[in-house]
Amino acid sequence: AAGVIQSPRHLIKEKRETATLKCYPIPRHDTVYWYQQGPGQDPQFLISFYEKMQSDKGSIPDRFSAQQFSDYHSELNMSSLELGDSALYFCASRLQNTEAFFGQGTRLTVV
Amino acid sequence: AQSVTQLDSQVPVFEEAPVELRCNYSSSVSVYLFWYVQYPNQGLQLLLKYLSGSTLVKGINGFEAEFNKSQTSFHLRKPSVHISDTAEYFCAVSPRRAGNMLTFGGGTRLMVKP
Repeated sequence: AAGVIQSPRHLIKEKRETATLKCYPIPRHDTVYWYQQGPGQDPQFLISFYEKMQSDKGSIPDRFSAQQFSDYHSELNMSSLELGDSALYFCASRLQNTEAFFGQGTRLTVV
Repeated sequence: AQSVTQLDSQVPVFEEAPVELRCNYSSSVSVYLFWYVQYPNQGLQLLLKYLSGSTLVKGINGFEAEFNKSQTSFHLRKPSVHISDTAEYFCAVSPRRAGNMLTFGGGTRLMVKP
């Protein structure tokens, strides 16, 4: 069965650079979530989209933005990267009120 | 708003012993409840879920959990653990509304010793 696909799996960027993370949800899923997980921490909610419209917003810095496209894939754009942005970034998708399925994550390292 | 508390940050246990990982939540609305497992450097995998119906739910890998509405708890149990169960376990809740986000607890590291 198709799963949530995230790319790239690993990304190394320098401070003040920009990064774009991509997420391809499971087909027909109507909700996409983005989470940030720092080392040894629980996943922190960043932002979500329901039917391509932003539905909830969590602790997402102003330097970050996200959108969901007509084909339902989503992108998380991160600018002016800081060392503290180094983390595992997860995308998850969900159909209505069922469980969320998570991708393998993108490990971002800012140096 | 919802919050999830996992009372134990680490649970050491010997192989083949039973284990219980505790989860309590608070919410002003009805919620769905989930347990996810995360192996090192991997994504989150669903263990089990409570959406409605029987309060005792069974999941993968021999895990089960019981929803207790009066105590607002959703504890995870396994009667006999294996070395391969060593991982981080996250309890999560989501309001019963389409598109709503999952809120995670702080996680419990299960360490199974031989």
